[in-house]
Amino acid sequence: DADVTQTPRNRITKTGKRIMLECSQTKGHDRMYWYRQDPGLGLRLIYYSFDVKDINKGEISDGYSVSRQAQAKFSLSLESAIPNQTALYFCATSESLAGDGELFFGEGSRLTVL
Amino acid sequence: TQLLEQSPQFLSIQEGENLTVYCNSSSVFSSLQWYRQEPGEGPVLLVTVVTGGEVKKLKRLTFQFGDARKDSSLHITAAQTGDTGLYLCAGARIGGYQKVTFGTGTKLQVIP
Repeated sequence: DADVTQTPRNRITKTGKRIMLECSQTKGHDRMYWYRQDPGLGLRLIYYSFDVKDINKGEISDGYSVSRQAQAKFSLSLESAIPNQTALYFCATSESLAGDGELFFGEGSRLTVL
Repeated sequence: TQLLEQSPQFLSIQEGENLTVYCNSSSVFSSLQWYRQEPGEGPVLLVTVVTGGEVKKLKRLTFQFGDARKDSSLHITAAQTGDTGLYLCAGARIGGYQKVTFGTGTKLQVIP
């Protein structure tokens, strides 16, 4: 089983619908992240959490919200999905606070908003 | 604003050829990482370089961090089909992961 698991892996939805992407990890890391990947743009940080009581906005948080239900669970919500939120979404964890620590990624959730 | 530009964006080569991928920025980074992402998978860390001028080798892959810590390169010798994937550089600035910037990515296809 993967250390970082994302569900669903693929989702097609319509404009205006609420969508939740879930992430769970077995690595025991406190730090969790949600990234969005678009072709030619690399990975952009949406939200991050350094522990259960800590939630922070990343560079592209507008239109998204998150919930850290437990150390192992971090979910991303789109309250009212729009087509330009069509992308590949990744959850990641890290052990180190320092920027040169390794990020461990899930397999990704591909979201299509029609 | 995209701070880390990778070139080329796409690269298709024959097995056995050599190639170099570049990661450039106008910003200084405290460290720089390279990740490889295969289709249907998340990125996986290949290497971290932290010192200006540092060179690290991972089998046929050679990574170099620029002297001014603004750029990096990845050189693959005698490419194999297993090298196919998306290569991402990621630069870290002081302040933890909220200061990590990912590059635009280089999609490599190695043809048998």
